[in-house]
Amino acid sequence: EAGVAQSPRYKIIEKRQSVAFWCNPISGHATLYWYQQILGQGPKLLIQFQNNGVVDDSQLPKDRFSAERLKGVDSTLKIQPAKLEDSAVYLCASSLEWGQKNTEAFFGQGTRLTVV
Amino acid sequence: KQEVTQIPAALSVPEGENLVLNCSFTDSAIYNLQWFRQDPGKGLTSLLLIQSSQREQTSGRLNASLDKSSGRSTLYIAASQPGDSATYLCAVRRNYGQNFVFGPGTRLSVLP
Repeated sequence: EAGVAQSPRYKIIEKRQSVAFWCNPISGHATLYWYQQILGQGPKLLIQFQNNGVVDDSQLPKDRFSAERLKGVDSTLKIQPAKLEDSAVYLCASSLEWGQKNTEAFFGQGTRLTVV
Repeated sequence: KQEVTQIPAALSVPEGENLVLNCSFTDSAIYNLQWFRQDPGKGLTSLLLIQSSQREQTSGRLNASLDKSSGRSTLYIAASQPGDSATYLCAVRRNYGQNFVFGPGTRLSVLP
């Protein structure tokens, strides 16, 4: 079974530029998460989708961050314009969400963003 | 608001030792708890998932326990190996369908 795919793996941009990340979850997984992980900290949720609807985006800085999940499969996360403090690893995760035994979350390799 | 802490922040042990990593959460009303491993520069690998109705889960040399009433979980690693060196994170979920709240992680180094 293929895992969660993310691209690119690394990205370096200047502040005020824009950047986009892509995620392809495990086939059939209804729930998709985007997390931000700053160095030395645990991941923090940015947005959670259930199929193509948003479940929780309360911690998403909506003035600069946006995300979509078209057709309930792939997702993109965009930052525009980027700030220095956005330097972090952006992790995508998915879970099946069908019954109690299918709530395990699986993570992609992440995209390491450096804003200079 | 759920807060998750992990102690210790870092741990260094010689190969072969048994060790315990701790995870504490402030709100005991959780749906499940998941332990992850993260290697440098990599994503998270799921190790064990414990449902709120369970007391422990085992996978190979790993054993995770859950005490909801006290807001604690422990990850026990038996006969540690240098390949176990990584950061270990715990995450809790409040309800079915909700997101995971993570602790800051414990950075483990197993010395040969």
